Amino acid sequence: DSGVTQTPKHLITATGQRVTLRCSPRSGDLSVYWYQQSLDQGLQFLIQYYNGEERAKGNILERFSAQQFPDLHSELNLSSLELGDSALYFCASSLGLAGGLKETQYFGPGTRLLVL
Amino acid sequence: DQQVKQNSPSLSVQEGRISILNCDYTNSMFDYFLWYKKYPAEGPTFLISISSIKDKNEDGRFTVFLNKSAKHLSLHIVPSQPGDSAVYFCAATPRETSGSRLTFGEGTQLTVNP
Repeated sequence: DSGVTQTPKHLITATGQRVTLRCSPRSGDLSVYWYQQSLDQGLQFLIQYYNGEERAKGNILERFSAQQFPDLHSELNLSSLELGDSALYFCASSLGLAGGLKETQYFGPGTRLLVL
Repeated sequence: DQQVKQNSPSLSVQEGRISILNCDYTNSMFDYFLWYKKYPAEGPTFLISISSIKDKNEDGRFTVFLNKSAKHLSLHIVPSQPGDSAVYFCAATPRETSGSRLTFGEGTQLTVNP
């Protein structure tokens, strides 16, 4: 158990809909990261938050957005869903003491999203 | 543009023998490397890491070797155990002033046969 929790575990929805994925980092961790793992793309970095502020952005679509709240939990919002958004979405966290540099990221169990 | 590549999708070894998983990278800005293990229906689990200032790091049965000139790293598992059967991901992070995105390889499925 990494200490990172994600809800829900599974999500089935229809194209055009909007969903929210939730992540609680390990106790004491200030940085939260979101990754997408789809069948043909492997694990791709989406976005990082550090203590409530956006720190780094990867290949995140404009239809997707995220935020980190004062209690440090994070939410990833996916809107206007398409079939190709079906994937595993992982959240990870790290201490953030070094601004995230050379820190180990600990992953949650993931949310499996299926868009029909 | 695949900056981290694991060319072997699968590897099968006998219990007790050595497992060697390989990873190549192209981005010379990468300076911290990690290996993660992933079981089905679970998130990646951190195994071992190495900074670019080192060429070897050991933790129990796991050793990671880094060859910067060849832009190559490898994970050695000795002795291999059936419980080591999982997908292994190599990941790298660049020298950046802020942020710490991980770039992952495609993964290698390791099967350790009893």
